[in-house]
Amino acid sequence: DAGITQSPRHKVTETGTPVTLRCHQTENHRYMYWYRQDPGHGLRLIHYSYGVKDTDKGEVSDGYSVSRSKTEDFLLTLESATSSQTSVYFCANRDRLLGELFFGEGSRLTVL
Amino acid sequence: DAKTTQPNSMESNEEEPVHLPCNHSTISGTDYIHWYRQLPSQGPEYVIHGLTSNVNNRMASLAIAEDRKSSTLILHRATLRDAAVYYCILDQGAQKLVFGQGTRLTINP
Repeated sequence: DAGITQSPRHKVTETGTPVTLRCHQTENHRYMYWYRQDPGHGLRLIHYSYGVKDTDKGEVSDGYSVSRSKTEDFLLTLESATSSQTSVYFCANRDRLLGELFFGEGSRLTVL
Repeated sequence: DAKTTQPNSMESNEEEPVHLPCNHSTISGTDYIHWYRQLPSQGPEYVIHGLTSNVNNRMASLAIAEDRKSSTLILHRATLRDAAVYYCILDQGAQKLVFGQGTRLTINP
């Protein structure tokens, strides 16, 4: 357990509105990740961070941005939500490369 | 990214051993093999990982082929709570980990 809290856990929003999902960790692990999970696609990496202000794109980053201004928080922003971004979003962290990943409980986002 | 191949689904009976296979024929010498599982309505959780030697922990065992092109996750005595999607992934020491679709394991009472 790496003390990950995701908020909000559930959100319904309308197309075109901005949305920010927050991932908060209590363990100060260096590496943090945002994944989305959709039926038939498994888990897909959106963005990841390897330190404060150090982020990079994953395999499905279009339409998403991230920020990490402090070690404990990793924010995922949808600037203008679309229905294709309806998904369950998982945050994860780990303290070192090759170490185990710890996941949060997920945030379910519905874009109408 | 290195790719793994797993069966889409498997079925087993309660209190019997379960062997979940994973093929990773393009594995590199320094890639670690990780296994995670995801219970319904939860985030994935770590199960086990290894490099070359077989590994055991309280949850499972990991058997790695001598050529490292395949591995098997072994649940020694399945319970209903082991019903989950199991993911085999290769950790190349890069910053990102890529998950496939995993194996959905069903446990029959």
